[in-house]
Amino acid sequence: DQQVKQNSPSLSVQEGRISILNCDYTNSMFDYFLWYKKYPAEGPTFLISISSIKDKNEDGRFTVFLNKSAKHLSLHIVPSQPGDSAVYFCAARANAGKSTFGDGTTLTVKP
Amino acid sequence: IAGITQAPTSQILAAGRRMTLRCTQDMRHNAMYWYRQDLGLGLRLIHYSNTAGTTGKGEVPDGYSVSRANTDDFPLTLASAVPSQTSVYFCASSETTLNEQFFGPGTRLTVL
Repeated sequence: DQQVKQNSPSLSVQEGRISILNCDYTNSMFDYFLWYKKYPAEGPTFLISISSIKDKNEDGRFTVFLNKSAKHLSLHIVPSQPGDSAVYFCAARANAGKSTFGDGTTLTVKP
Repeated sequence: IAGITQAPTSQILAAGRRMTLRCTQDMRHNAMYWYRQDLGLGLRLIHYSNTAGTTGKGEVPDGYSVSRANTDDFPLTLASAVPSQTSVYFCASSETTLNEQFFGPGTRLTVL
């Protein structure tokens, strides 16, 4: 039973447009959510996070939205740049415990 | 340069052999983790350590063991490797379990 799901394995957008990556979760105990970005042959790097007491967190071009009632979060990247092309992992955590990761979404930003 | 290192970068191993993957961080982080990433899948937690001297089992611990003798090092041992352990292994650390994780570059392991 996968508790964190990223239902879109891949996403392709044009440079300058908005990228929206989605993540759904099933465990209502999750109280902290993180997004990581991964380039080929490298380890993931932390991108942005959000606590369950908020519904939005913004950092430059990156914004994460949390809809607790729907158990859904999304990462918005605007404007998208070719350097944003990577695999994006959603992760969720309960009570400062271990993080559970989704399977990732491969984003391709076309010049 | 502060960070987290892993060794080896890649390894081909015969089934039944013993193998230790090394992980070292110089950020004085309390928590450390080992994940495996299979093709097309996300990261699955193998073992973790919330602080030096303690370890715990993650989602997929069978066939693996860890130790945390000091803050900096967190080796992962495969006692008798099997082909299903072919994967990319990532070590990570975080200041505490409340903080984001920093990942190493990974070790690509192939068990034949």
